[in-house]
Amino acid sequence: DQQVKQNSPSLSVQEGRISILNCDYTNSMFDYFLWYKKYPAEGPTFLISISSIKDKNEDGRFTVFLNKSAKHLSLHIVPSQPGDSAVYFCAASARTSYDKVIFGPGTSLSVIP
Amino acid sequence: EAGVVQSPRYKIIEKKQPVAFWCNPISGHNTLYWYRQNLGQGPELLIRYENEEAVDDSQLPKDRFSAERLKGVDSTLKIQPAELGDSAVYLCASSGADTQYFGPGTRLTVL
Repeated sequence: DQQVKQNSPSLSVQEGRISILNCDYTNSMFDYFLWYKKYPAEGPTFLISISSIKDKNEDGRFTVFLNKSAKHLSLHIVPSQPGDSAVYFCAASARTSYDKVIFGPGTSLSVIP
Repeated sequence: EAGVVQSPRYKIIEKKQPVAFWCNPISGHNTLYWYRQNLGQGPELLIRYENEEAVDDSQLPKDRFSAERLKGVDSTLKIQPAELGDSAVYLCASSGADTQYFGPGTRLTVL
């Protein structure tokens, strides 16, 4: 049973527009959430995170929103650039075991020039 | 600063053969992870080390998989014998105080 879900396997966006990647989780014990970005033939790289005490965290063009009541988070990329084309993994962990990170299946983002 | 190093990058073997993957974590990182990533899925934890101690190996198929982290630095993951279903990318990651840093992975193909 998937505890972290990314229901959109792929997403295409025009350069300069907003990309919105969604993620849902089922385990109410999760209180720390991360987004990783992965290029082909490379390992995932950390992008941005958010703690459950916040509902928004921003880092440059990347913003993550957390809706705890809906067990939903989203990653916004504004403006989208061709170099953002990659697979994005949503991940979550619980305060009882921050080292145990559960990953979603990923969403492949294509930013079209 | 060098990242997480893994070798080999690619490995093709026939089923029932043994295979081993090597990982060198970022210097100073005490925590080391091995993940398996199947096609179209996210990484799934196989084993986590704190220094040389395996603190979470609940997802490691112990009948055919083994791992070691001698001296709390480099680590080796072994599969013996390999099965067709073991075809995947095997990722190693390390962490210091917080974020996990991943290596490029080893893509295993079992024929």
